[in-house]
Amino acid sequence: EAGVAQSPRYKIIEKRQSVAFWCNPISGHATLYWYQQILGQGPKLLIQFQNNGVVDDSQLPKDRFSAERLKGVDSTLKIQPAKLEDSAVYLCASTYGTNTGELFFGEGSRLTVL
Amino acid sequence: GENVEQHPSTLSVQEGDSAVIKCTYSDSASNYFPWYKQELGKRPQLIIDIRSNVGEKKDQRIAVTLNKTAKHFSLHITETQPEDSAVYFCAASKGGSNYKLTFGKGTLLTVNP
Repeated sequence: EAGVAQSPRYKIIEKRQSVAFWCNPISGHATLYWYQQILGQGPKLLIQFQNNGVVDDSQLPKDRFSAERLKGVDSTLKIQPAKLEDSAVYLCASTYGTNTGELFFGEGSRLTVL
Repeated sequence: GENVEQHPSTLSVQEGDSAVIKCTYSDSASNYFPWYKQELGKRPQLIIDIRSNVGEKKDQRIAVTLNKTAKHFSLHITETQPEDSAVYFCAASKGGSNYKLTFGKGTLLTVNP
């Protein structure tokens, strides 16, 4: 079974530039999450989708971050404009059910903002 | 919202010793508590989990205990090996239709040969 795919793996940009990350979850997984992991910290949830609907985006900085999952499969996370403090690994995860269970993470997209 | 505190932030042990990592959570409605292991530069992966109707769960050298009254749960690794070296994260969730995990800040475990 293929795992969660993410791209790009690494991205370096100047502050105020924009960047987009892509995630393809495991086939059949209804729920998709974007987590932000700053160096030395635990993953922090940014947004949660169930199929193509947003379940929770309470911690998403909506003035600069946006995310979509138009067809209920793959998803994109965009940052515009980027700030220095956005430097982090952006982890995508998916799970089959909507109630509980293991989150399957991708390898992550490491963003460096200069 | 849920808040998960994890201690210690770093832990160094000799090969063969035991390691214990502790977490507390704030939301008494949380009922699912997984532990994830993240090796350097890799994705977090589930190693063990426990639900609130169980007090202890074991899987070979790892075990997790849960004290619902104290809102406290712990990871125990016995007979540690160098390949156990990694960052370990605890997490908590209420489950239900809004299922999401709130993670602790992580513990860097180093097992010295």
